[in-house]
Order: sequence, then structure tokens, then C-alpha cells
Amino acid sequence: EVQLVESGGGLIQPGGSLRLSCAASGFTVSSTYMSWVRQAPGKGLEWVSIIYTDGTTYYADSVKGRFTISRDNSKNTLYFQMNSLRAEDTAVYYCAMGYQPLHVNFWGQGTLVTVSS
Amino acid sequence: EIVMTQSPATLSVSPGERATLSCRASQSISSNLAWYQQKPGQAPRLLIYGASTRATGIPARFSGSGSGIEFTLTISSLQSEDFAVYYCQQYNNWPRWTFGQGTKVEIK
Repeated sequence: EVQLVESGGGLIQPGGSLRLSCAASGFTVSSTYMSWVRQAPGKGLEWVSIIYTDGTTYYADSVKGRFTISRDNSKNTLYFQMNSLRAEDTAVYYCAMGYQPLHVNFWGQGTLVTVSS
Repeated sequence: EIVMTQSPATLSVSPGERATLSCRASQSISSNLAWYQQKPGQAPRLLIYGASTRATGIPARFSGSGSGIEFTLTISSLQSEDFAVYYCQQYNNWPRWTFGQGTKVEIK
């Protein structure tokens, strides 16, 4: 059974950093397309970043240069390093898996990141 | 950026009735469209991909249609568990997916 469990969210001041983790089971992270999708309170879904099976990464313009997606194959875990956080980064961050880089087949339950002073 | 526009924002439907949700793309996306269902406090769930292919385990009452710029999600006979928010997502411009703003299906 595919499972994705996010952790690492919390309250952080503007300009601060956080690292999100997504522990995967039931499949191999390096063999699938792993993404982060966020949802601001009461809002819709926004794609943020993806890492391909070959390690290629892509980012939304809103986070490029501040956030970094990575994975640890030995731990079968996806990470999201978020630096220079802004109030507009406040959202639930979902870890998401796709068998192709096209749509999401499975979602984690999400972790809330709140950027506020 | 491809902008996805969903309508209506809210759809009030009685259990057992048909629900028809629309999604329009700002430019042609062929059949590169997915639909997701999200219930309060839960993660989204994939319903449809390729505009019309149901994901594994999705009941036959859910169907998708359309291509190009106009797409439709139809729920043939609404069950209590179907009241939720539905999002469309284009992946024609992958990896830069974009989502619609969502349609909330509520009990009439």
C-alpha cells in the first residue's frame, strides 16, 4: 500500500527556514515523480516543485531560488528545504507521487507551514 | 501560464441527482487534464486523468469528457460521500501544472 507521511511544518517567522520531509512506503521514491503541491488557507491547489526519476528538478517561479527539492534514496524520503520564507508561503504542503510527470496518483495528508511574526 | 477556470464555484445538488462541473483552459491542452476530489481536512484524490480515464477504484458514476479547452466532470447520481470540492488540473505544460480554483458540490 502506498503511503506518504509529511512532517516538519510549523510556525516560522518571515525570513526563516524550514525543512519538510515526506516518508514514503509501498513504492520507491527514486522510481517515481515526486512533487510538492501547496494549498493556502481556504484557497485552491498550487504546484510548487517536482523531482524527476533522473534527478531533474523544477520549481514554480514563486519559490525558485528559495526552495530546494531533494530525496534520500536510502531512506526512501523526499525533502523540501524552504528558505527566506514569506507570509505568502503560508499553506498546507502536500507531498505527491506520480507514476508519470503528468498528474498525481497519490497524495500525503499534508503539513501546515505558517509564516508569521 | 495556462489558466484553468472552473464553473460554477458552488453547485447545489440533491442526493441521487446528476452533477455537471465545467473546466475551461486558456489555451488548448489536448486531453491533458485530470480531476481531483477533496473533502474537508483531507488530501485530494485522483478521479480522472487523460480527460476521461477513471483512476483505479473510482466508481463508474464519475465520468470525464472534453478535449482542447472545454472539459466536463459528470457525477451521474450523487451519493452522500460525493459532496466535496473538485479541482481540474492541466498537465499539457508539464512540469508546470496549473489547477482550477475548484467547484464545491454541496447538498441542496
